Amino acid sequence: SQELEQSPQSLIVQEGKNLTINCTSSKTLYGLYWYKQKYGEGLIFLMMLQKGGEEKSHEKITAKLDEKKQQSSLHITASQPSHAGIYLCGADGEGAQKLVFGQGTRLTINP
Amino acid sequence: GAGVSQSPSNKVTEKGKDVELRCDPISGHTALYWYRQRLGQGLEFLIYFQGNSAPDKSGLPSDRFSAERTGESVSTLTIQRTQQEDSAVYLCASSLVALNTQYFGPGTRLTVL
Repeated sequence: SQELEQSPQSLIVQEGKNLTINCTSSKTLYGLYWYKQKYGEGLIFLMMLQKGGEEKSHEKITAKLDEKKQQSSLHITASQPSHAGIYLCGADGEGAQKLVFGQGTRLTINP
Repeated sequence: GAGVSQSPSNKVTEKGKDVELRCDPISGHTALYWYRQRLGQGLEFLIYFQGNSAPDKSGLPSDRFSAERTGESVSTLTIQRTQQEDSAVYLCASSLVALNTQYFGPGTRLTVL
């Protein structure tokens, strides 16, 4: 079965700094989703990537899917306190309807 | 428009009691999913509905867990004879059709004493 590994598990950065979170899959990714989770708010959809080499941006967050479609990265530029939370990558499991998720990366932004 | 809603937001129950968790998907979404998130762990898939039917129940942890969906609308997840290991946040998601982006509700935090 497909497994997703996220790194780092936890990240503390100074406000204004850039950061990157990685998501590595044990199998080829057919659809890769990035979500953000805050306490009491469920998961907020950020972006979805499908094609090898694809890159998408939303405000100061950029996500990429590598050419081999087994790794994705999420990059935040000039981090702000509002970026704090848990970032989760999820993948379509080889045609299965369910999403398989990584363990999450807890991001803390220090003022 | 309205997102996915879940109720209750919090539920505390005693071991051995039955609980019902409710999910209202986004209007028009045909696919509905239930996941569980235990403390310090990732999200675990429980069950998926396409319309009224549940083609994939592979994630239900035991026969104490069941779910149903009315039309292409509300779904209820029922846990019978709750155990302490059932304590978790239960998340519901919906998508327009299967294999589309899933949108999540805020979750129900279940605590079994």
